[in-house]
Amino acid sequence: DAGVIQSPRHEVTEMGQEVTLRCKPISGHNSLFWYRQTMMRGLELLIYFNNNVPIDDSGMPEDRFSAKMPNASFSTLKIQPSEPRDSAVYFCASSPLDGGGKNEQFFGPGTRLTVL
Amino acid sequence: GENVEQHPSTLSVQEGDSAVIKCTYSDSASNYFPWYKQELGKRPQLIIDIRSNVGEKKDQRIAVTLNKTAKHFSLHITETQPEDSAVYFCAASTPNSGYALNFGKGTSLLVTP
Repeated sequence: DAGVIQSPRHEVTEMGQEVTLRCKPISGHNSLFWYRQTMMRGLELLIYFNNNVPIDDSGMPEDRFSAKMPNASFSTLKIQPSEPRDSAVYFCASSPLDGGGKNEQFFGPGTRLTVL
Repeated sequence: GENVEQHPSTLSVQEGDSAVIKCTYSDSASNYFPWYKQELGKRPQLIIDIRSNVGEKKDQRIAVTLNKTAKHFSLHITETQPEDSAVYFCAASTPNSGYALNFGKGTSLLVTP
């Protein structure tokens, strides 16, 4: 398995532009998580999905942020409009969460977003 | 919600010495506590985890201890090597939150030869 795949790996955009980050979880995993990492705030949970359904989006900072998971193999995180303070590394992680205690989360390589 | 505190924020040890990183959590419902290692520019990677039904777990040079009553858990690395240098994150999670991770702020460990 290729692991969690994220694209793009790097994104540089100008303030006000729309940004879409993409994630492909590990096949068979039924939970997907989006995290944001900054020096000031560390690693923060933005939203997570279970069986493609958004369960908790309380970590999404503003209405400018939205996330979707149209199927078990794809999720997007969209920022519209983007602002310089959104600059961060965005990680996607997936987990089997099979109820048998196997809930290790596997992280993707991250997308480094810079908003100018 | 869950609040995870991690100390120290930086730690410098000599090769061969031991390193200890401590975390506390606030939600008594938390029952899964992983530790992640993150090298510069890389993704966090799980190095060890512990569930609340055990008090200690060991994997070669790495061990984790958990005190549920005091709501704290610790990472112990023995015989440190320069390749152990990285940022280490503790986390806590609950089944009610789908095991979404609440991370500590991280400890930057430097092992000097």
